[in-house]
Amino acid sequence: QVQLQESGPGLVKPSETLSLTCTVSGGSISSYYWSWIRQPPGKGLEWIGYIYYSGSTNYNPSLKSRVTISVDTSKNQFSLKLSSVTAADTAVYYCARVDREAATNWFDPWGQGTLVTVSS
Amino acid sequence: DIQMTQSPSSLSASVGDRVTITCRASQSISSYLNWYQQKPGKAPKLLIYAASSLQSGVPSRFSGSGSGTDFTLTISSLQPEDFATYYCQQSYSTPVTFGQGTRLEIK
Repeated sequence: QVQLQESGPGLVKPSETLSLTCTVSGGSISSYYWSWIRQPPGKGLEWIGYIYYSGSTNYNPSLKSRVTISVDTSKNQFSLKLSSVTAADTAVYYCARVDREAATNWFDPWGQGTLVTVSS
Repeated sequence: DIQMTQSPSSLSASVGDRVTITCRASQSISSYLNWYQQKPGKAPKLLIYAASSLQSGVPSRFSGSGSGTDFTLTISSLQPEDFATYYCQQSYSTPVTFGQGTRLEIK
């Protein structure tokens, strides 16, 4: 059974870069798309972007100028970098696998999430 | 971007009730609609994919229907563990977007 686990600093200063890693266990990162999704405290879900195991990416235009998602197949990990953060980037960050059937897709499973607070 | 609008935003119901949550897309998304359940402090859990397909392991009291712009999630007989927040999500086009959530509370 595939499991995902987010890791990284829980506190980031304004204007700095948020960096998180998602480690995939119980299965290979190959042949799947992987995604980052975030949720500000008490609010809804926002999709950040996808990465395919080969390295191709698709980002949310609202964050595209600040986001980089990368993959390390040798470590079975993928990562998120979000630059120039502000308090508005404070959120629980989730990683998730993108499962697919024909032309449709969905997020399953998800990591447990990690809270990142942007504050000086 | 495709806007997803859920109704109601919150709902009070009792154990054993039949509950329906609606999700409307701002344009047609065929059947590219998924439903998730989220409990406090936990990650969302997939319930329904492709509008009406029940995810493995999810109780059969959950069902989904719809296509085009209008979709519903129905819980046929509420159980205590079903009180949570429910989100719809479209996968028709990027950026992927979610509904604002429907909070299901105990009456």
